[in-house]
Amino acid sequence: SAVISQKPSRDICQRGTSLTIQCQVDSQVTMMFWYRQQPGQSLTLIATANQGSEATYESGFVIDKFPISRPNLTFSTLTVSNMSPEDSSIYLCSVGPTQETQYFGPGTRLLVL
Amino acid sequence: SQQGEEDPQALSIQEGENATMNCSYKTSINNLQWYRQNSGRGLVHLILIRSNEREKHSGRLRVTLDTSKKSSSLLITASRAADTASYFCATRRWGSSNTGKLIFGQGTTLQVKP
Repeated sequence: SAVISQKPSRDICQRGTSLTIQCQVDSQVTMMFWYRQQPGQSLTLIATANQGSEATYESGFVIDKFPISRPNLTFSTLTVSNMSPEDSSIYLCSVGPTQETQYFGPGTRLLVL
Repeated sequence: SQQGEEDPQALSIQEGENATMNCSYKTSINNLQWYRQNSGRGLVHLILIRSNEREKHSGRLRVTLDTSKKSSSLLITASRAADTASYFCATRRWGSSNTGKLIFGQGTTLQVKP
């Protein structure tokens, strides 16, 4: 299994500001994913982050709003830009070390005022 | 976009009873997985069933998959208060991009009363 840590675990931010969330994995993985979970809702895939190439965004998510970096096989960042209260969610990093198994980090709870 | 739906949305049972949750999906899949989430925290992987499997067991968990009906069920036997959580099904489908995205259902909130 893969052990995933996220920083920060939670934050309260003012609208109009940006927050960068870090995801660190204890082993090298090819695929990393970022999900959003709005209050009381299920998880929605934001993008797939692959090392050495640009992230692939899902419908409804754009790079200007959610820029992603993937500098190596154990680390990725997701930035939530120009935040509004609608961005208040839990953001989860996930990795797929195999073609079947997928593991999730503890999540970052974001509240935008 | 969400792959499918789960029912019930909420389930409340007494400790010791069995809990059954259902999941339906829309497209062909490679596998279906069930996850548990406690109080908005990270997800814990419970069990995976492949598209060519019909039933799988893991401890008190039993998962079935009916690809003809595009549905799956998760049975938790002899439930405990610690099973109180949200349960999500997620389907994986390998596309032309070979990224194998995991798409989640809406989830079932289970409450087990002591």
